[in-house]
Amino acid sequence: DTGVSQDPRHKITKRGQNVTFRCDPISEHNRLYWYRQTLGQGPEFLTYFQNEAQLEKSRLLSDRFSAERPKGSFSTLEIQRTEQGDSAMYLCASSPGRFTGELFFGEGSRLTVL
Amino acid sequence: DQQVKQNSPSLSVQEGRISILNCDYTNSMFDYFLWYKKYPAEGPTFLISISSIKDKNEDGRFTVFLNKSAKHLSLHIVPSQPGDSAVYFCAASGTPGSNYKLTFGKGTLLTVNP
Repeated sequence: DTGVSQDPRHKITKRGQNVTFRCDPISEHNRLYWYRQTLGQGPEFLTYFQNEAQLEKSRLLSDRFSAERPKGSFSTLEIQRTEQGDSAMYLCASSPGRFTGELFFGEGSRLTVL
Repeated sequence: DQQVKQNSPSLSVQEGRISILNCDYTNSMFDYFLWYKKYPAEGPTFLISISSIKDKNEDGRFTVFLNKSAKHLSLHIVPSQPGDSAVYFCAASGTPGSNYKLTFGKGTLLTVNP
């Protein structure tokens, strides 16, 4: 399968713990995005990479959140000192070259903070 | 403030009939619009898009109409099939190639009954 893959698919953690999600984009895609989706809402933009450069971060991404994309390949999203409000589906997407609006999403990583 | 609004949380239609999903937007800077479809436990997948220079775009059973003066777009599915049952998200962005961020609505759950 050559689609976007995310790991883990589901993470349950206690409040205050740190969690990290990984995203492997489609190999030839140089753009990578993180979105967050909570119950009853559409996906909300978190951050965007072009190759290894993080070009924008949403104000939804507090100081407890950090994303990296070393070498412009896979990406990680780390949440430190998790809070119950962080419970959501974290979606990664990638797209090729010039932005056309068509994003290729992974299946998401669901975070539950107890 | 919701910049992209899907005011119908759900829609139920009979197989073979037309499904019409509606979307309104408030940001005049949006000029590219997309529809994504999402099945349970999967990431959203791109369905169809339209640029603001057009008022209609068609792809097989799917047609998107844009009324820029009313800031309204709709997705028509004809004929509807049970496999079309999914959540449909309307999304908007700035000019392709210059804006990489999508703003999504909350989604409409479409159920097509056999």
